[in-house]
Amino acid sequence: GQNIDQPTEMTATEGAIVQINCTYQTSGFNGLFWYQQHAGEAPTFLSYNVLDGLEEKGRFSSFLSRSKGYSYLLLKELQMKDSASYLCAVRGNDYKLSFGAGTTVTVRA
Amino acid sequence: NAGVMQNPRHLVRRRGQEARLRCSPMKGHSHVYWYRQLPEEGLKFMVYLQKENIIDESGMPKERFSAEFPKEGPSILRIQQVVRGDSAAYFCASSGTSGSQGTQYFGPGTRLTVL
Repeated sequence: GQNIDQPTEMTATEGAIVQINCTYQTSGFNGLFWYQQHAGEAPTFLSYNVLDGLEEKGRFSSFLSRSKGYSYLLLKELQMKDSASYLCAVRGNDYKLSFGAGTTVTVRA
Repeated sequence: NAGVMQNPRHLVRRRGQEARLRCSPMKGHSHVYWYRQLPEEGLKFMVYLQKENIIDESGMPKERFSAEFPKEGPSILRIQQVVRGDSAAYFCASSGTSGSQGTQYFGPGTRLTVL
């Protein structure tokens, strides 16, 4: 089975940095994905990690440690529009994505 | 707009009616996945289809639910005799390469409410 854990909520101030952690226990591993989902909208692809290390893409970075079953998404220079739910998803040995329940990030002025 | 399209965006049905949800994958994509999202829960995999083939329907309830992806036209998720517990957001995703490699891109979802 798959078990994906991430915090339920986080709050941060505009311009700050927030780190969203994700731990997973899965039968097989073929990549970890982060998606952003605004209320009532589609999950939007943010990043993909399959090898250990940090992937940087503008203000967003994602890190993976396969041996620890751990990833984080780092959001820098927070903007009000970054208020959303952030979904951690793991792909096992097949094609199915197993999702965590999501972390709701609230950015305050 | 070359993104994944879903319609309707909102669907209201009474108990016992049928719900048909449609998904047009991103242009050039031939792999389609359906997920269901219940309030306060993560997305749960339901079914994976390629054109004219159901590859994996292990996440779909055995009764009342069916899915297809015909040679022409959108993928359809069909729920017969809906019950209140079917109320959820149903998301479709598509990928361009084989399911174990491609990134899945999501549509805006259909929010089904069963009265």
